[in-house]
Amino acid sequence: GAGVSQSPSNKVTEKGKDVELRCDPISGHTALYWYRQSLGQGLEFLIYFQGNSAPDKSGLPSDRFSAERTGGSVSTLTIQRTQQEDSAVYLCASTPMVSGRSYNEQFFGPGTRLTVL
Amino acid sequence: GNSVTQMEGPVTLSEEAFLTINCTYTATGYPSLFWYVQYPGEGLQLLLKATKADDKGSNKGFEATYRKETTSFHLEKGSVQVSDSAVYFCALSGTGNQFYFGTGTSLTVIP
Repeated sequence: GAGVSQSPSNKVTEKGKDVELRCDPISGHTALYWYRQSLGQGLEFLIYFQGNSAPDKSGLPSDRFSAERTGGSVSTLTIQRTQQEDSAVYLCASTPMVSGRSYNEQFFGPGTRLTVL
Repeated sequence: GNSVTQMEGPVTLSEEAFLTINCTYTATGYPSLFWYVQYPGEGLQLLLKATKADDKGSNKGFEATYRKETTSFHLEKGSVQVSDSAVYFCALSGTGNQFYFGTGTSLTVIP
């Protein structure tokens, strides 16, 4: 079946512009996660959705970052007034839930590489 | 709180050498533990997992045992190949449905 997809795969933007990154999770996966991976770094958690609600937004680096999820499916991560330090690979992952807890692994998308000039 | 600490790299080994990448964790409750692998130019994919103490996860010749007494989940492989060159991430899933990843360990295997 189809895996997690993300678009665009690459995005180059100018400092100060807004960008939107999209994630399509695996059908039926109720949990969706956004991470940021900077060059040579590990995964930085950004936000987690259970259905359409986001019980954990603790990882968003600033108020320039926001995310939403509609219909329990597609999610959009928006970065306003981009800065050079926002350059990174943004990863999305989804996972099915069992009895309110995720016992299963996360399935990752290929990521969006964002470059802010 | 929950966290994962894994061995810093980079690690360089000759083909057929023995591999150990250390991973220790801090968690409340009884987390599930995972190793993910990221091959060059690709996304993260699950390598193996263990969901309770003393479980051993295994895949592609890699193994890791969930050790609650030492809060560890070390990754091992008896004989590495060039194709194992990748970045390896240790992770845990806690009771809050949150996943915590280590910083990753880069492995390069030379012929």
